[in-house]
Amino acid sequence: GAGVSQSPSNKVTEKGKDVELRCDPISGHTALYWYRQRLGQGLEFLIYFQGNSAPDKSGLPSDRFSAERTGESVSTLTIQRTQQEDSAVYLCASSLAVRGSYEQYFGPGTRLTVT
Amino acid sequence: GENVEQHPSTLSVQEGDSAVIKCTYSDSASNYFPWYKQELGKRPQLIIDIRSNVGEKKDQRIAVTLNKTAKHFSLHITETQPEDSAVYFCAAKGGSNNNDMRFGAGTRLTVKP
Repeated sequence: GAGVSQSPSNKVTEKGKDVELRCDPISGHTALYWYRQRLGQGLEFLIYFQGNSAPDKSGLPSDRFSAERTGESVSTLTIQRTQQEDSAVYLCASSLAVRGSYEQYFGPGTRLTVT
Repeated sequence: GENVEQHPSTLSVQEGDSAVIKCTYSDSASNYFPWYKQELGKRPQLIIDIRSNVGEKKDQRIAVTLNKTAKHFSLHITETQPEDSAVYFCAAKGGSNNNDMRFGAGTRLTVKP
């Protein structure tokens, strides 16, 4: 079946502009995660959605970052007033998240470049 | 929240040798510990995982061990091959009703032919 998809694959924006990144999880996956990966660095947790529960926003680096998810479908990550340090690959992952099945399936990422 | 530390950050081995990567976690309620492999320019993919009720798990050349008392777990790769060269991430999931997943900083493994 279809895996996790993300769009756009690449985004170049000017400093100060807002950007919106999209993630389409695998159908039926209740959990959805956003991570930031700077060049050559690790996976920095940003936010986590689980079903209809309140999201865990503890990883969002500033109030310029926000994310939404409608039910168990698409999620969007919005970065307002982008800064050069926001340049990174933004990875989305989804998981079935039921007992015995916690594997995260990652999307291809969105490479964000802020000039 | 959970904090996962991973060592070493880089590891270089000769083809055929073994490689060991170690991780520690902070939340004693964590109950699921996966390892992901990320090849250059690609997305991370699960290679092996272990649950808290198991001390060791093996899949061909890859094995993972878990010490719940010490809150650490390790990845062991035997008979390394050049195609094992990648970045490896460990992770820990929260307790029974918590699917929050936190990753270590990664280990860049280079296998020299």
